[in-house]
Amino acid sequence: QTVVTQEPSLTVSPGGTVTLTCASSTGAVTSGYYPNWFQQKPGQAPRALIYSTDNKHSWTPARFSGSLLGGKAALTLSGVQPEDEAEYYCLLYFGGAWVFGGGTKLTVL
Amino acid sequence: QLQLQESGPGLVKPSETLSLTCTVSGGSISSSSYYWGWIRQPPGKGLEWIGSIFYSGNTYYNPSLKSRVTISVDTSKNQLSLKLSSVTAADTAVYYCVRFKDGPDVWGQGTTVTVSS
Repeated sequence: QTVVTQEPSLTVSPGGTVTLTCASSTGAVTSGYYPNWFQQKPGQAPRALIYSTDNKHSWTPARFSGSLLGGKAALTLSGVQPEDEAEYYCLLYFGGAWVFGGGTKLTVL
Repeated sequence: QLQLQESGPGLVKPSETLSLTCTVSGGSISSSSYYWGWIRQPPGKGLEWIGSIFYSGNTYYNPSLKSRVTISVDTSKNQLSLKLSSVTAADTAVYYCVRFKDGPDVWGQGTTVTVSS
């Protein structure tokens, strides 16, 4: 059973920078896992932010960026806005199957 | 603009089969550039990938659900369907229809399914 692990919660001040990470129980995350990141606000469907490690969708705000960091996938928010308070999920590809992380609740305070 | 709309019964009895349909508008479900699938979210919990279907008809399912899941496509109706058999209360969730390219990029609004007698 493959497990994908995220920080349960993080807090950031408005205007600050925060990095969320996504680790795999199988070892280091590489681009071959096609890391994806999603934002979900209460009562809404998830919204795709990043695909294939560091690619943004046309609707993704510039302050969101994806990368690989220390064997994990990472999502960095720079210049955090109050509206960025949400749950963030990562998703990794394991040869035909996709596995979500448990989510990170980001508080902007 | 591509839109995905899930539909189906909001209440299913235990041991019965959950059946959902996703109608795709603003694009063709037959496009070889994309594939399609279902993701669910139990109340207050995280997201779970259920399975995906490719243009070729090949399917991939979550190993934990594989014995109970069938995903299919009706190209004449531009629809995707999900069948989950022998449901229990643990299958209560919001079910999302999604389009995949290098990951799920377009999501439906989701439909809530409750398993209860």
